Amino acid sequence: IAGITQAPTSQILAAGRRMTLRCTQDMRHNAMYWYRQDLGLGLRLIHYSNTAGTTGKGEVPDGYSVSRANTDDFPLTLASAVPSQTSVYFCASRGQGADTQYFGPGTRLTVL
Amino acid sequence: AQSVAQPEDQVNVAEGNPLTVKCTYSVSGNPYLFWYVQYPNRGLQFLLKYITGDNLVKGSYGFEAEFNKSQTSFHLKKPSALVSDSALYFCAVRDDTGGFKTIFGAGTRLFVKA
Repeated sequence: IAGITQAPTSQILAAGRRMTLRCTQDMRHNAMYWYRQDLGLGLRLIHYSNTAGTTGKGEVPDGYSVSRANTDDFPLTLASAVPSQTSVYFCASRGQGADTQYFGPGTRLTVL
Repeated sequence: AQSVAQPEDQVNVAEGNPLTVKCTYSVSGNPYLFWYVQYPNRGLQFLLKYITGDNLVKGSYGFEAEFNKSQTSFHLKKPSALVSDSALYFCAVRDDTGGFKTIFGAGTRLFVKA
């Protein structure tokens, strides 16, 4: 693994189903982020974690939850998916004291 | 509250011509500004940043950005565009209200014609 990986690459999901998007980084970055990208809205922050064991809410947290049990993994869970959660989801990380973020390749999620 | 605005949804330029992608910002303190690029079906990649110092910042792939405090702008520029520069460009500002978060603009799609 080099950088940030996300899984799955894409997913079609029935409304009401539970879904976990996976994110793993091997750079030992302290901070990790989940964004959703929607046309005309840019990237909006869903949740973040400044370090393992802590999480925080971003701009659009409703309907999503995260956990940060260790440094490398930062899964995003949709407890009961709704069509408005159709989007492209990006995970990102940032090193201690650094300003820039590194992004994963994204997960394209469609909720029907 | 910190924010960035990208007034153009799309910019079209001919290959070899100079390009400019505009960004204006609003911050309560010192601005920490960034440009990222997204190629199709890829995540965002860092291009350049302004933290302090020279108002002209040079970044990857021949891009540069000019910080203008009086106009609260941070426009992305390149002297000679390439077809391969066609992508989605995001301006961003660091949110100093807590959590070390970054606020992204809506993005500007750049089309470079051969």
